[in-house]
Amino acid sequence: ELKVEQNPLFLSMQEGKNYTIYCNYSTTSDRLYWYRQDPGKSLESLFVLLSNGAVKQEGRLMASLDTKARLSTLHITAAVHDLSATYFCAANNAGNMLTFGGGTRLMVKP
Amino acid sequence: GAGVSQSPRYKVAKRGQDVALRCDPISGHVSLFWYQQALGQGPEFLTYFQNEAQLDKSGLPSDRFFAERPEGSVSTLKIQRTQQEDSAVYLCASSLGGPGTSGYTFGSGTRLTVV
Repeated sequence: ELKVEQNPLFLSMQEGKNYTIYCNYSTTSDRLYWYRQDPGKSLESLFVLLSNGAVKQEGRLMASLDTKARLSTLHITAAVHDLSATYFCAANNAGNMLTFGGGTRLMVKP
Repeated sequence: GAGVSQSPRYKVAKRGQDVALRCDPISGHVSLFWYQQALGQGPEFLTYFQNEAQLDKSGLPSDRFFAERPEGSVSTLKIQRTQQEDSAVYLCASSLGGPGTSGYTFGSGTRLTVV
Protein backbone atom coordinates (compact mmCIF):
# COMPACT_ATOMS: atom_id res chain seq x y z
CA GLU A 1 0.00 0.00 0.00
CA LEU A 2 1.37 3.37 -1.03
CA LYS A 3 1.77 5.87 1.81
CA VAL A 4 2.84 9.47 1.47
CA GLU A 5 4.21 11.55 4.30
CA GLN A 6 5.00 15.23 4.33
CA ASN A 7 6.95 17.32 6.75
CA PRO A 8 6.67 19.71 8.27
CA LEU A 9 2.91 19.78 8.74
CA PHE A 10 3.00 23.45 9.61
CA LEU A 11 5.53 26.05 8.61
CA SER A 12 5.65 29.67 9.65
CA MET A 13 8.29 31.73 7.95
CA GLN A 14 9.19 35.33 7.34
CA GLU A 15 9.14 36.98 3.99
CA GLY A 16 12.44 36.74 2.19
CA LYS A 17 13.47 33.45 3.78
CA ASN A 18 14.08 30.10 2.09
CA TYR A 19 12.66 26.78 3.17
CA THR A 20 12.05 23.23 1.95
CA ILE A 21 9.05 20.95 2.31
CA TYR A 22 9.75 17.22 2.19
CA CYS A 23 7.60 14.46 0.76
CA ASN A 24 8.43 10.79 1.31
CA TYR A 25 6.53 7.93 -0.28
CA SER A 26 6.64 4.28 0.65
CA THR A 27 6.62 2.34 -2.61
CA THR A 28 7.60 2.84 -6.22
CA SER A 29 5.58 5.59 -7.83
CA ASP A 30 5.13 6.50 -11.48
CA ARG A 31 4.77 10.20 -10.84
CA LEU A 32 4.89 12.76 -8.09
CA TYR A 33 2.55 15.75 -7.98
CA TRP A 34 2.53 18.97 -6.01
CA TYR A 35 -0.66 20.91 -5.41
CA ARG A 36 -1.53 24.16 -3.71
CA GLN A 37 -4.79 24.69 -1.80
CA ASP A 38 -6.02 28.02 -0.49
CA PRO A 39 -8.58 28.02 2.35
CA GLY A 40 -11.99 26.97 1.10
CA LYS A 41 -10.68 26.45 -2.41
CA SER A 42 -9.85 23.46 -4.55
CA LEU A 43 -6.47 22.02 -5.48
CA GLU A 44 -4.31 23.87 -7.96
CA SER A 45 -1.72 21.83 -9.80
CA LEU A 46 1.82 23.14 -9.38
CA PHE A 47 4.18 20.46 -10.68
CA VAL A 48 4.18 16.98 -12.13
CA LEU A 49 7.50 15.15 -11.78
CA LEU A 50 7.92 12.20 -14.08
CA SER A 51 11.37 10.74 -13.58
CA ASN A 52 14.34 10.44 -11.29
CA GLY A 53 16.27 13.67 -11.05
CA ALA A 54 13.42 15.74 -12.45
CA VAL A 55 13.51 19.37 -11.40
CA LYS A 56 10.86 21.94 -12.20
CA GLN A 57 10.69 25.60 -11.27
CA GLU A 58 7.94 28.17 -11.35
CA GLY A 59 8.62 31.54 -9.83
CA ARG A 60 9.79 31.12 -6.24
CA LEU A 61 8.93 27.41 -6.13
CA MET A 62 11.16 24.58 -7.24
CA ALA A 63 10.29 20.89 -7.02
CA SER A 64 12.61 17.92 -7.40
CA LEU A 65 12.30 14.16 -7.37
CA ASP A 66 14.67 11.42 -6.21
CA THR A 67 13.01 8.11 -6.99
CA LYS A 68 15.78 6.06 -5.41
CA ALA A 69 15.27 7.79 -2.08
CA ARG A 70 11.50 7.99 -2.70
CA LEU A 71 11.73 11.65 -1.84
CA SER A 72 10.45 14.83 -3.39
CA THR A 73 11.16 18.33 -2.18
CA LEU A 74 9.42 21.65 -2.71
CA HIS A 75 11.85 24.50 -2.18
CA ILE A 76 10.64 28.00 -1.51
CA THR A 77 13.00 30.85 -2.34
CA ALA A 78 12.61 34.32 -0.83
CA ALA A 79 9.08 33.67 0.38
CA VAL A 80 6.35 36.25 -0.08
CA HIS A 81 2.97 36.51 1.65
CA ASP A 82 1.11 35.35 -1.47
CA LEU A 83 2.67 31.92 -1.06
CA SER A 84 0.71 31.33 2.14
CA ALA A 85 -1.43 28.22 1.50
CA THR A 86 -1.47 24.49 2.14
CA TYR A 87 0.79 22.43 -0.10
CA PHE A 88 0.12 18.78 -0.85
CA CYS A 89 2.26 16.21 -2.54
CA ALA A 90 0.69 13.14 -4.08
CA ALA A 91 1.98 9.99 -5.72
CA ASN A 92 0.44 7.25 -7.82
CA ASN A 93 1.64 3.76 -8.53
CA ALA A 94 0.22 1.17 -10.87
CA GLY A 95 -3.28 2.37 -10.24
CA ASN A 96 -4.68 5.63 -11.48
CA MET A 97 -5.63 7.18 -8.21
CA LEU A 98 -3.48 9.62 -6.29
CA THR A 99 -2.39 9.08 -2.71
CA PHE A 100 -1.94 12.40 -0.93
CA GLY A 101 0.26 13.44 1.93
CA GLY A 102 -1.27 15.18 4.92
CA GLY A 103 -0.33 18.63 3.64
CA THR A 104 2.00 21.39 4.79
CA ARG A 105 0.31 24.56 5.94
CA LEU A 106 2.59 27.44 5.06
CA MET A 107 2.23 30.88 6.61
CA VAL A 108 4.49 33.64 5.37
CA LYS A 109 4.67 36.62 7.69
CA PRO A 110 5.71 40.13 6.66
CA GLY B 1 -16.59 23.50 -19.96
CA ALA B 2 -13.43 25.29 -18.98
CA GLY B 3 -13.03 23.46 -15.73
CA VAL B 4 -14.47 20.77 -13.51
CA SER B 5 -17.80 21.93 -12.15
CA GLN B 6 -19.32 20.57 -8.94
CA SER B 7 -22.71 21.21 -7.40
CA PRO B 8 -23.99 22.05 -4.96
CA ARG B 9 -21.16 24.08 -3.51
CA TYR B 10 -22.47 23.54 0.02
CA LYS B 11 -24.91 20.98 1.37
CA VAL B 12 -26.32 20.65 4.85
CA ALA B 13 -28.07 17.36 5.49
CA LYS B 14 -29.84 16.01 8.50
CA ARG B 15 -28.49 12.73 9.76
CA GLY B 16 -30.21 9.90 7.93
CA GLN B 17 -30.97 11.97 4.84
CA ASP B 18 -29.81 10.90 1.38
CA VAL B 19 -27.68 13.31 -0.68
CA ALA B 20 -26.50 13.46 -4.28
CA LEU B 21 -23.41 15.35 -5.35
CA ARG B 22 -22.80 16.20 -8.98
CA CYS B 23 -19.60 16.48 -10.96
CA ASP B 24 -19.35 17.82 -14.50
CA PRO B 25 -15.82 17.08 -15.77
CA ILE B 26 -13.90 18.85 -18.48
CA SER B 27 -15.39 17.96 -21.84
CA GLY B 28 -13.63 14.98 -23.39
CA HIS B 29 -11.89 13.89 -20.23
CA VAL B 30 -11.95 10.14 -20.00
CA SER B 31 -10.99 9.67 -16.37
CA LEU B 32 -13.01 10.91 -13.42
CA PHE B 33 -12.16 10.57 -9.74
CA TRP B 34 -13.92 11.28 -6.48
CA TYR B 35 -12.00 12.18 -3.33
CA GLN B 36 -13.07 12.90 0.23
CA GLN B 37 -11.21 15.58 2.18
CA ALA B 38 -11.79 15.81 5.91
CA LEU B 39 -11.00 19.07 7.65
CA GLY B 40 -7.25 19.64 7.94
CA GLN B 41 -6.32 16.50 6.03
CA GLY B 42 -5.29 15.50 2.55
CA PRO B 43 -7.84 14.19 0.05
CA GLU B 44 -8.53 10.46 0.17
CA PHE B 45 -9.46 8.42 -2.87
CA LEU B 46 -13.03 7.16 -3.16
CA THR B 47 -13.62 5.89 -6.67
CA TYR B 48 -12.44 6.09 -10.30
CA PHE B 49 -14.24 5.95 -13.65
CA GLN B 50 -12.87 5.50 -17.10
CA ASN B 51 -15.66 6.69 -19.36
CA GLU B 52 -18.77 5.03 -17.94
CA ALA B 53 -16.94 2.11 -16.35
CA GLN B 54 -16.26 2.25 -12.64
CA LEU B 55 -12.83 0.64 -12.53
CA ASP B 56 -12.00 1.15 -8.88
CA LYS B 57 -14.30 1.72 -5.94
CA SER B 58 -11.97 0.47 -3.26
CA GLY B 59 -12.01 3.80 -1.41
CA LEU B 60 -15.76 3.99 -0.82
CA PRO B 61 -16.05 3.80 2.98
CA SER B 62 -19.30 1.85 3.15
CA ASP B 63 -22.15 0.51 1.08
CA ARG B 64 -23.99 3.76 1.79
CA PHE B 65 -21.75 5.39 -0.82
CA PHE B 66 -22.56 4.89 -4.47
CA ALA B 67 -21.21 6.59 -7.59
CA GLU B 68 -22.25 6.47 -11.20
CA ARG B 69 -21.31 7.96 -14.54
CA PRO B 70 -23.88 6.46 -16.90
CA GLU B 71 -22.97 8.27 -20.11
CA GLY B 72 -19.28 8.73 -19.47
CA SER B 73 -19.49 12.43 -18.71
CA VAL B 74 -21.39 13.76 -15.67
CA SER B 75 -20.95 11.76 -12.48
CA THR B 76 -23.05 11.61 -9.33
CA LEU B 77 -21.86 10.56 -5.89
CA LYS B 78 -24.75 9.45 -3.73
CA ILE B 79 -24.59 8.99 0.01
CA GLN B 80 -27.50 7.23 1.67
CA ARG B 81 -28.53 7.62 5.29
CA THR B 82 -25.86 10.24 5.95
CA GLN B 83 -23.91 10.11 9.20
CA GLN B 84 -21.94 12.83 10.95
CA GLU B 85 -18.66 11.20 9.96
CA ASP B 86 -19.60 11.80 6.32
CA SER B 87 -19.09 15.55 6.85
CA ALA B 88 -16.24 16.53 4.56
CA VAL B 89 -15.43 18.22 1.28
CA TYR B 90 -16.02 15.94 -1.69
CA LEU B 91 -13.70 16.71 -4.58
CA CYS B 92 -14.07 15.58 -8.14
CA ALA B 93 -11.13 15.48 -10.56
CA SER B 94 -10.85 14.63 -14.22
CA SER B 95 -8.00 13.72 -16.52
CA LEU B 96 -7.77 13.51 -20.28
CA GLY B 97 -6.39 9.99 -20.32
CA GLY B 98 -5.10 7.72 -17.60
CA PRO B 99 -2.48 9.08 -15.22
CA GLY B 100 -1.98 12.16 -17.36
CA THR B 101 1.35 13.89 -17.49
CA SER B 102 -0.45 17.17 -16.97
CA GLY B 103 -2.00 15.96 -13.78
CA TYR B 104 -5.57 16.01 -12.75
CA THR B 105 -7.91 19.01 -12.73
CA PHE B 106 -9.90 19.31 -9.55
CA GLY B 107 -13.28 20.92 -9.08
CA SER B 108 -14.06 23.35 -6.27
CA GLY B 109 -15.69 20.63 -4.23
CA THR B 110 -18.92 20.18 -2.35
CA ARG B 111 -18.76 20.85 1.37
CA LEU B 112 -21.15 18.43 3.07
CA THR B 113 -22.17 19.05 6.64
CA VAL B 114 -24.31 16.43 8.36
CA VAL B 115 -26.16 17.72 11.42
